[in-house]
Amino acid sequence: EAGVAQSPRYKIIEKRQSVAFWCNPISGHATLYWYQQILGQGPKLLIQFQNNGVVDDSQLPKDRFSAERLKGVDSTLKIQPAKLEDSAVYLCASSLDLGARETQYFGPGTRLLVL
Amino acid sequence: KNEVEQSPQNLTAQEGEFITINCSYSVGISALHWLQQHPGGGIVSLFMLSSGKKKHGRLIATINIQEKHSSLHITASHPRDSAVYICAVRFQTSGSRLTFGEGTQLTVNP
Repeated sequence: EAGVAQSPRYKIIEKRQSVAFWCNPISGHATLYWYQQILGQGPKLLIQFQNNGVVDDSQLPKDRFSAERLKGVDSTLKIQPAKLEDSAVYLCASSLDLGARETQYFGPGTRLLVL
Repeated sequence: KNEVEQSPQNLTAQEGEFITINCSYSVGISALHWLQQHPGGGIVSLFMLSSGKKKHGRLIATINIQEKHSSLHITASHPRDSAVYICAVRFQTSGSRLTFGEGTQLTVNP
């Protein structure tokens, strides 16, 4: 079974530029998560989708971050414009459903460096 | 406030030692997860607990709901166990959102 795919794996941009990340979850997984993990910290949820609807985006900085999952399968996360403090690993995860005991499967992450 | 605390932050051990990593949380939970993160970022789910104890190979995870505490044990540690171990919980008041601890960096020397 293929895992969660993410691209690119690495990205270096200058501040005020825009960047987009892509995630393809495990086939059949209804729930998709985007996390931000700053060096030395645990992941922080940015946004959670159930199919193509947003379940939780309370921690998403909406002035610069946006995400979509138009067809309920793959998803993109965009930062526009980027700031230095956005340097982090952006992790995508998916689970079969929303249940409290569902296992989340993580992608390899996209490592972003903002200069 | 929904918080998750792990200890220690860093742990260095010799190959073969018994290792314990601790996780405490602030309020009631519906589930607790132990995750392993290797250099390069990939995260693997090790255990999901809501009560009692689970064992998989050399890994054992326990949870005490009354004390709001969980431990991850590694028996006969090996250098390939070197990774960051992260505790994540679903608080009863947070729906399906996971709240993560800051992780424990484990280094096992040969």
